[in-house]
Amino acid sequence: GENVEQHPSTLSVQEGDSAVIKCTYSDSASNYFPWYKQELGKRPQLIIDIRSNVGEKKDQRIAVTLNKTAKHFSLHITETQPEDSAVYFCAARAGGFKTIFGAGTRLFVKA
Amino acid sequence: SQTIHQWPATLVQPVGSPLSLECTVEGTSNPNLYWYRQAAGRGLQLLFYSVGIGQISSEVPQNLSASRPQDRQFILSSKKLLLSDSGFYLCAWSRQGEEQFFGPGTRLTVL
Repeated sequence: GENVEQHPSTLSVQEGDSAVIKCTYSDSASNYFPWYKQELGKRPQLIIDIRSNVGEKKDQRIAVTLNKTAKHFSLHITETQPEDSAVYFCAARAGGFKTIFGAGTRLFVKA
Repeated sequence: SQTIHQWPATLVQPVGSPLSLECTVEGTSNPNLYWYRQAAGRGLQLLFYSVGIGQISSEVPQNLSASRPQDRQFILSSKKLLLSDSGFYLCAWSRQGEEQFFGPGTRLTVL
């Protein structure tokens, strides 16, 4: 069945450094790749997404890249801040209905 | 604007008791609806999704069921709760091919 692998499971960086989270997906029909941020005890919230017709998308300190051939996509956070500390989920969707989520990456940004 | 509601926010139930969690969406019509479960410190497990009234797709065989009696209402039920049913239950909605928006969640503890 469909699967999304996410690495690393935990990531600790110093404030101001960059953080990179990587995901791979199995369903070649996937065409939509959202990233969610979940703070402790709260609901996941979309921070950025990318569609299969685009290779890269950037929004201020956050960027996402997509390699459809390799079925890889990555989240890049530059100039990290303590408030970036949270759990980040990647996801992949094919056909507009079912979204498969990765297991999550717990990001710690040390001040 | 669209909003999504879940209740109750918190629930403590004994093993073997029934369960009913409700999710409603306002401000949109014919949404895709989803139920996810998140165990403590874990990822998002898709339980059910629905593309229309009375149309339910189950992702994981277990003692839970879902129903969609109205266009913007999605209910998660169980006849007999297990200890392993404890977790954070998230409802989400989306338009076809668009991002998912999550509800505030219900934290269920089965004792």
